[in-house]
Parts: sequence; C-alpha cells; structure tokens
Amino acid sequence: KAGVTQTPRYLIKTRGQQVTLSCSPISGHRSVSWYQQTPGQGLQFLFEYFSETQRNKGNFPGRFSGRQFSNSRSEMNVSTLELGDSALYLCASSLETSGYSDTQYFGPGTRLTVL
Amino acid sequence: GENVEQHPSTLSVQEGDSAVIKCTYSDSASNYFPWYKQELGKGPQLIIDIRSNVGEKKDQRIAVTLNKTAKHFSLHITETQPEDSAVYFCAAMDSNYQLIWGAGTKLIIKP
Repeated sequence: KAGVTQTPRYLIKTRGQQVTLSCSPISGHRSVSWYQQTPGQGLQFLFEYFSETQRNKGNFPGRFSGRQFSNSRSEMNVSTLELGDSALYLCASSLETSGYSDTQYFGPGTRLTVL
Repeated sequence: GENVEQHPSTLSVQEGDSAVIKCTYSDSASNYFPWYKQELGKGPQLIIDIRSNVGEKKDQRIAVTLNKTAKHFSLHITETQPEDSAVYFCAAMDSNYQLIWGAGTKLIIKP
C-alpha cells in the first residue's frame, strides 16, 4: 500500500497570504489528523477529521481550518499567514479512531516558510 | 488536560550501549502510549506502542515499560547502532482520543 502523501513538500509564502496543504491518507484509512511541528514546540495537534467531519480540534486560532472529502483526502488552510506559522505541517492517517487507539501513520510533511 | 513530559532532550550514547528515554503523563485515564522515531526530512514513524493493560512490551532491540501507578513510561534501546540516531517522541492518548506528545529526544549514537 502507498503511504500517506502530502503536497506540496515545500512552500514559501509571505505574511498575509493564505495557503492550502493537501494530504492523501493510506487507502482504506478514514481518519486524518493534522499537526504543526516546530523546533521549540514539538508536535502540536491541529485537528482530526473522520468521515468528512471534524471530530477533534486543538488549540489553534480560527485562521487554521481544514476539511475532508468523501474519499478521505484532506486539506488544511491557513489564512492571513504570520511569521510564526513557519513550521513543518504533518498529516497522519489511521484506520479508524472510534474511541479505540489506532496507530497513526505520518506523511513526510509540508515545510511552510513565511517571509 | 493531559500533559506529557519527556527526558532527556538530548541523549548521546556509545554505539553498542543502551539508551533509555523517559516520559511522564498527567491524565490517569490515558490508556495508549506510542513511541515514534523521526529521521531527518521524514515524518514520525511508529516503532513500538503499549496499552495500559500490559506493563512491558518488546520488539527485538526495543522495549517499552509502563508504570500506571507512577504515570510514567520508558523506551529502552539495547545494542544501539548508528541507524538508531534520530529524534524520538513519546505520546499519550487522552480521554478525548487525542494524542498528546512529548517534546522529543535527540538520540546521538557515537561510533
């Protein structure tokens, strides 16, 4: 099976712009989670989608949003970019997190740089 | 909410020696504790996990122990090799089924 794929791998934007990142989960996986990884803060949970519904949300401002499509592919959007949004954005998929702990499989991430 | 602390932040060991990384968590309801390895330029990869109904789990050179009373769990790597050099993350699943992550440990294997 192909692993989790994320596009693009690298992105450079300027402050005030918006950006959309894409994630394709492992075939058959229905849950997609997004994380922000920075050197000082480690992995911070953004949100989780399951069957096109946001099921969990981390403590991030409303500028960060996401969605999931019927084929389980997911996108996240960041509007009005700030310098502090520069980070590695990781997507992870799991078979199903219906209250039982399923293994999360990570993609390689999208490196976002905000200038 | 859940909080996970991970120590040390950097660990340097001689090739062939053992490495131990420790994590503590705060939510006594947590019942799933995975460990991930992240190599440069890659996303984290699961290397081992443990659930609250067991105290220890082994997979070749890697083992994880869990002490629910003390609310801490540890990763043990024996006979370390150069390819073990990476950043290791522990995590605990909270009562909302969300993984809370430790800050990571950079493991350096000296030849």
